[in-house]
Amino acid sequence: NAGVTQTPKFQVLKTGQSMTLQCAQDMNHEYMSWYRQDPGMGLRLIHYSVGAGITDQGEVPNGYNVSRSTTEDFPLRLLSAAPSQTSVYFCASSLSGDSYNEQFFGPGTRLTVL
Amino acid sequence: QKEVEQDPGPLSVPEGAIVSLNCTYSNSAFQYFMWYRQYSRKGPELLMYTYSSGNKEDGRFTAQVDKSSKYISLFIRDSQPSDSATYLCAMSALRASNTGKLIFGQGTTLQVKP
Repeated sequence: NAGVTQTPKFQVLKTGQSMTLQCAQDMNHEYMSWYRQDPGMGLRLIHYSVGAGITDQGEVPNGYNVSRSTTEDFPLRLLSAAPSQTSVYFCASSLSGDSYNEQFFGPGTRLTVL
Repeated sequence: QKEVEQDPGPLSVPEGAIVSLNCTYSNSAFQYFMWYRQYSRKGPELLMYTYSSGNKEDGRFTAQVDKSSKYISLFIRDSQPSDSATYLCAMSALRASNTGKLIFGQGTTLQVKP
């Protein structure tokens, strides 16, 4: 199993550009989520999905869109990139959204917005 | 005030030392307590998981939860250079069941010197 994979590993955008961060998992997990990690802030939940076709907002959803058309994939879209979105983005998955399930994290995407 | 507070460090100790990492929290609804370890430029990985109060031991690692003080700890005995990483505490409320919402601390960076 590859686990949770993320592409790209690094990305530089200009303000106003849009892009999609890709996330895929091969563990047949129902629950997937996106976090951003900033210095001094820890990990903050952006959006999450409890299954295909179902998404919801987390703590910091503004400026991001998600969709979940398959169990395996959960892309994160930046609609109009801003310097405040410079961060490291992690995708995670678990069997379900129940709190006792371990969340498995991908290797991250480092995004810089100029 | 953040829901979860964690001293970011950095914490530097000699090899073989006992390390104590701590988090405090304000939300009395938190029931699930986790410690994640994150190596440099990698995604977090679950290290320890505790439900409600009490202690849990796994090899050189011990997790403690004191709900009356809203305080959790991770102890590392006989620390090794391979333990050098950032340690993140994370918590979840029982009412967050099925949403998988984890609240993370800021992370403590630990360096174990040979």
